[in-house]
Amino acid sequence: SQELEQSPQSLIVQEGKNLTINCTSSKTLYGLYWYKQKYGEGLIFLMMLQKGGEEKSHEKITAKLDEKKQQSSLHITASQPSHAGIYLCGADFQGAQKLVFGQGTRLTINP
Amino acid sequence: DAGVIQSPRHEVTEMGQEVTLRCKPISGHDYLFWYRQTMMRGLELLIYFNNNVPIDDSGMPEDRFSAKMPNASFSTLKIQPSEPRDSAVYFCASGWTGDEQYFGPGTRLTVT
Repeated sequence: SQELEQSPQSLIVQEGKNLTINCTSSKTLYGLYWYKQKYGEGLIFLMMLQKGGEEKSHEKITAKLDEKKQQSSLHITASQPSHAGIYLCGADFQGAQKLVFGQGTRLTINP
Repeated sequence: DAGVIQSPRHEVTEMGQEVTLRCKPISGHDYLFWYRQTMMRGLELLIYFNNNVPIDDSGMPEDRFSAKMPNASFSTLKIQPSEPRDSAVYFCASGWTGDEQYFGPGTRLTVT
């Protein structure tokens, strides 16, 4: 969707390195959702952000939403092979449960 | 809970045939969503329901696509007639108001 841009489209990092994935909206977000998808499987929910400046962490993954609520980042610390997959951000622009997803970032972790 | 259940997991059909995809949402969820995922267009919302009522079907590509939710525990997405460009992975998801969406494993549809 042109309303939501993810970068980079693909990322290859060495195991143990940190990495960041970005999600930028052309409009103010009501909410921003991060999901992870493994090939051939459904999406697994990671985190939801709704407030400007909000930051959430789970294990080695941290997600942030900027004050203007138009940009979010997903940061992985000390990456592991289990982090490999496709990461998608989903935007709720209306507060109506309807999500628009970015194109996804394919993450590969090299041992 | 078993999560969102979709059937079949894989479907191969010939152009012109009718295809029906099925979804059982997580019990108690009041929203149900149908998505389509392709390499070219990514993950797109087709239609979603609230309390079994269709709320927004603006993502349904054309009249060949229809979706129903006859009760809180079952929904179908039908394509009639199917075309090769309908080949994609179709996901069903469910959720509570204001909460995240829980995705099913998807149905991989191939139309030859």
